[in-house]
Amino acid sequence: QQPVQSPQAVILREGEDAVINCSSSKALYSVHWYRQKHGEAPVFLMILLKGGEQKGHEKISASFNEKKQQSSLYLTASQLSYSGTYFCASQETDSWGKLQFGAGTQVVVTP
Amino acid sequence: GAVVSQHPSRVICKSGTSVKIECRSLDFQATTMFWYRQFPKQSLMLMATSNEGSKATYEQGVEKDKFLINHASLTLSTLTVTSAHPEDSSFYICSATQSSGANVLTFGAGSRLTVL
Repeated sequence: QQPVQSPQAVILREGEDAVINCSSSKALYSVHWYRQKHGEAPVFLMILLKGGEQKGHEKISASFNEKKQQSSLYLTASQLSYSGTYFCASQETDSWGKLQFGAGTQVVVTP
Repeated sequence: GAVVSQHPSRVICKSGTSVKIECRSLDFQATTMFWYRQFPKQSLMLMATSNEGSKATYEQGVEKDKFLINHASLTLSTLTVTSAHPEDSSFYICSATQSSGANVLTFGAGSRLTVL
């Protein structure tokens, strides 16, 4: 089942912050976050495995709530390079690597 | 780091022909590879799971006779779109994982198929 991702799109000025949410109706084994630039393959950002876990990648961080049904991605002090479509991907079973992708959040960072 | 090579990156074919897309893990052995399809401005939809030496597992709604998957070695999986039609035009992306556990998926660069 595809995770629900919000918002669909966000426009930021350079230096502003944003939050992208990803939720599932069931507990997940893991949540992955990817960023995709137009015409390119998704690029891995981070994976969260444990409830309560938080991780960071440069000024992009993510959390995974205790019940392991929701994750949020935080873009802090956004840079122009942060523009792209962000996808969360959920692993619902112990079948490693079998991911269901959310619909994506288009992020546009302007000067 | 792990690298997955996908070829071709772009292919244009006539309706009714078949097209083969290759996915190779360059510096690791991939027991499992995954094939995704992405329509413009949409998410990635998992098509099938490809396991080395065994039949692929297809997601619901994906025609196995239409999208033939072969995973003959630990470094190569192929997707063949048979008797292609314009509605098969899409961006096809493969990914591979080295092993189970706390690991990540590495994606290929994708193959854009256009069927005329």
